[in-house]
Amino acid sequence: KQEVTQIPAALSVPEGENLVLNCSFTDSAIYNLQWFRQDPGKGLTSLLLIQSSQREQTSGRLNASLDKSSGRSTLYIAASQPGDSATYLCAVCTTSGTYKYIFGTGTRLKVLA
Amino acid sequence: ETGVTQSPTHLIKTRGQQVTLRCSSQSGHNTVSWYQQALGQGPQFIFQYYREEENGRGNFPPRFSGLQFPNYSSELNVNALELDDSALYLCASSLTPDEQFFGPGTRLTVL
Repeated sequence: KQEVTQIPAALSVPEGENLVLNCSFTDSAIYNLQWFRQDPGKGLTSLLLIQSSQREQTSGRLNASLDKSSGRSTLYIAASQPGDSATYLCAVCTTSGTYKYIFGTGTRLKVLA
Repeated sequence: ETGVTQSPTHLIKTRGQQVTLRCSSQSGHNTVSWYQQALGQGPQFIFQYYREEENGRGNFPPRFSGLQFPNYSSELNVNALELDDSALYLCASSLTPDEQFFGPGTRLTVL
């Protein structure tokens, strides 16, 4: 059974810091992995999607890596800003049966001005 | 913006009632998935519909049911509401298995 874990659960950093959010999954048979941002009380905003054959994806200040063999992904945020404050969710798309996303519980990020 | 819309935005019900949540997928997307996100948790897969047939189900009881219509709209129905059903309900539409586009969600509160 696929399980997704995110560490840390919460993180508070001063503005301008570079930071890394971690995601691990137990079954390497994934179709893709996606990072989402969620603001309080809101829906999900897709940040980066990494196909199982890819190693990383970049968008602006964000870089996500994927190591399928070790069951790990990281989301790197460069030069953090207060507007980056949100919960970041990692989700893997499973290939067993129905294509569905299994989510972690998220990392709650607060960037202090 | 993903082109996926959900209604209503918020909803308050009492225990034992029934509720219907609606989702409008992107045009052409023949697959819709529903997720439940309890407070402080990640979303959990409820079920998926493909071409109007249920195509997979998570660990949710039968009182959670769904419908998908030919016009790319769909519904999530929950009967006999319980307090623990209070959550954000997300629908996601897709044309190919590899990418699901999420709607903004419906916040359900059960009193």
